[in-house]
Amino acid sequence: RKEVEQDPGPFNVPEGATVAFNCTYSNSASQSFFWYRQDCRKEPKLLMSVYSSGNEDGRFTAQLNRASQYISLLIRDSKLSDSATYLCVVNWGGSYIPTFGRGTSLIVHP
Amino acid sequence: DADVTQTPRNRITKTGKRIMLECSQTKGHDRMYWYRQDPGLGLRLIYYSFDVKDINKGEISDGYSVSRQAQAKFSLSLESAIPNQTALYFCATSGSTGELFFGEGSRLTVL
Repeated sequence: RKEVEQDPGPFNVPEGATVAFNCTYSNSASQSFFWYRQDCRKEPKLLMSVYSSGNEDGRFTAQLNRASQYISLLIRDSKLSDSATYLCVVNWGGSYIPTFGRGTSLIVHP
Repeated sequence: DADVTQTPRNRITKTGKRIMLECSQTKGHDRMYWYRQDPGLGLRLIYYSFDVKDINKGEISDGYSVSRQAQAKFSLSLESAIPNQTALYFCATSGSTGELFFGEGSRLTVL
């Protein structure tokens, strides 16, 4: 069974805080990795792809550690609008079968 | 217009009824997926299709069937709905990058 594990949270942080989420995966043959954001009762939307060298998009930084089989998402200077569930997605093999973690809930408060 | 369209958006039905959820896309992608989301369980893969002639079971296919009528259309059927199939259902497509594009979801309630 291919597992993708996330801490469900919730992570409750004040505005301006830095928060980090991890996601572990069980299959070392995993090919590609993504973070999605999902607002309540809405469809997930791509936040970032995760590259081997790590990548940054504004306040968001994603990293991949293949040796330890996890990916991470760092959010700096949290905004109220960052409140959402963050889903880790791992694609297996060359056929890209996407498997989701259960998501991590983030609540940013004033 | 949305790239991935699901119908119906909401449906309430009774146990034993047949239900079809439809999905169409304008992305031109070959790969299409049906997921189900339950509170606290994330998204679980029901079926996926990599082209019109390719249909594969996902993690939780029991009680469901699918039809890939065309590259752009992928339908999910519940032949005899039961209450534990009450959930939010998402259709998605992906291209060569692996990024998923979702429909807005179909909320199904089985009484």
